[in-house]
Amino acid sequence: DAGVIQSPRHEVTEMGQEVTLRCKPISGHNSLFWYRQTMMRGLELLIYFNNNVPIDDSGMPEDRFSAKMPNASFSTLKIQPSEPRDSAVYFCASILTPQGWLYSNQPQHFGDGTRLSIL
Amino acid sequence: DAKTTQPPSMDCAEGRAANLPCNHSTISGNEYVYWYRQIHSQGPQYIIHGLKNNETNEMASLIITEDRKSSTLILPHATLRDTAVYYCIVSVTNTGNQFYFGTGTSLTVIP
Repeated sequence: DAGVIQSPRHEVTEMGQEVTLRCKPISGHNSLFWYRQTMMRGLELLIYFNNNVPIDDSGMPEDRFSAKMPNASFSTLKIQPSEPRDSAVYFCASILTPQGWLYSNQPQHFGDGTRLSIL
Repeated sequence: DAKTTQPPSMDCAEGRAANLPCNHSTISGNEYVYWYRQIHSQGPQYIIHGLKNNETNEMASLIITEDRKSSTLILPHATLRDTAVYYCIVSVTNTGNQFYFGTGTSLTVIP
């Protein structure tokens, strides 16, 4: 079975440019999470979707960051404009949550991440 | 949120059991304990999880104390490939499945 698929694996761009990171969750999973990992702050939860609806975006650092989930099989995390301090590894994860529930005890499955460098 | 406390680093001899402790003294009754590991900058890899009973799978065993305030992940026969950062996480259940990763334990398996 295919796991969580993220693209691109690496992205290098200049500050001020728009960056779009993509995630395809495991087929059938209905909850999706975006995380960011840096040396200084470790792994941080940015936003959490359930059935394509954002449930908790309190971790999104500022208005330059936005995330969408237009359908059950695709999500994007966009940074516009990008800044050097956004350089990090961005991970996506997914789980299957029972319908009508926000909670599942199933473990999250993570993708391999996107390593983003803003020059 | 329940928070976890782990030692920052540990060493283990190859072939020996690695016992990684975690304290979660503020855990709520319906919150699970999860263990993940991360090798280099790969995505976190799920290892095992449990509520209050001890659990075992092909990768590891999870021992949770009776009061649920702490747990231990046991890798029965550590190999060099088990060198990684190990994270103990307690799930937040009131608003969803958010995982809050701490700093983890960096395990080094020594030949």
